[in-house]
Amino acid sequence: AQKVTQTQTSISVMEKTTVTMDCVYETQDSSYFLFWYKQTASGEIVFLIRQDSYKKENATVGHYSLNFQKPKSSIGLIITATQIEDSAVYFCAMREGRYNQGKLIFGQGTKLSIKP
Amino acid sequence: GALVYQYPRRTICKSGTSMRMECQAVGFQATSVAWYRQSPQKTFELIALSTVNSAIKYEQNFTQEKFPISHPNLSFSSMTVLNAYLEDRGLYLCGAIRDTSNTEVFFGKGTRLTVV
Repeated sequence: AQKVTQTQTSISVMEKTTVTMDCVYETQDSSYFLFWYKQTASGEIVFLIRQDSYKKENATVGHYSLNFQKPKSSIGLIITATQIEDSAVYFCAMREGRYNQGKLIFGQGTKLSIKP
Repeated sequence: GALVYQYPRRTICKSGTSMRMECQAVGFQATSVAWYRQSPQKTFELIALSTVNSAIKYEQNFTQEKFPISHPNLSFSSMTVLNAYLEDRGLYLCGAIRDTSNTEVFFGKGTRLTVV
């Protein structure tokens, strides 16, 4: 069965610190893709970063990086030097297989609040 | 950059009536479009995946009779919510996929449907 689980409902941290958000997934496919999106207060969904299952190195984009632990089916999102505007709801998502473009399975989301 | 426009951003319709929402990809060719719904306090549910020149594939619990989709070309898709009722309220998101393999989904800002 396909499933994505984010157990942290909400996190609050001080500005300029580092925060990690957890995500675990379940899949039977040997090839899959993992994504992190954030949803702003207006509802907009913004793509942040992606990890392909066959890549061993952790993806990094700007101040976002991933902690990919394949044996644990875990894909944590790390945000360094957090800013107030990073406050949003963060969703982890998975796509199975090479041809299921567009079919994402989302986690429940983690609300991140950055305090000044 | 990849942009996905959705129209309208917000809409209110009377219970039992229908409303149509549109999705426009700008700056890239979207061979596949995925329509999602985020109901209040819930994560994202895939409604259907539409690929140009292929049959539209609906997920379980969603039907063409209720959510007819049109995807006439590589830049435009529309979906109608027929006979909308309270349980249909939520944020409807259009996700467009580029014409390359293994890419992320780019989302529009969504159409927020309120049913009264």
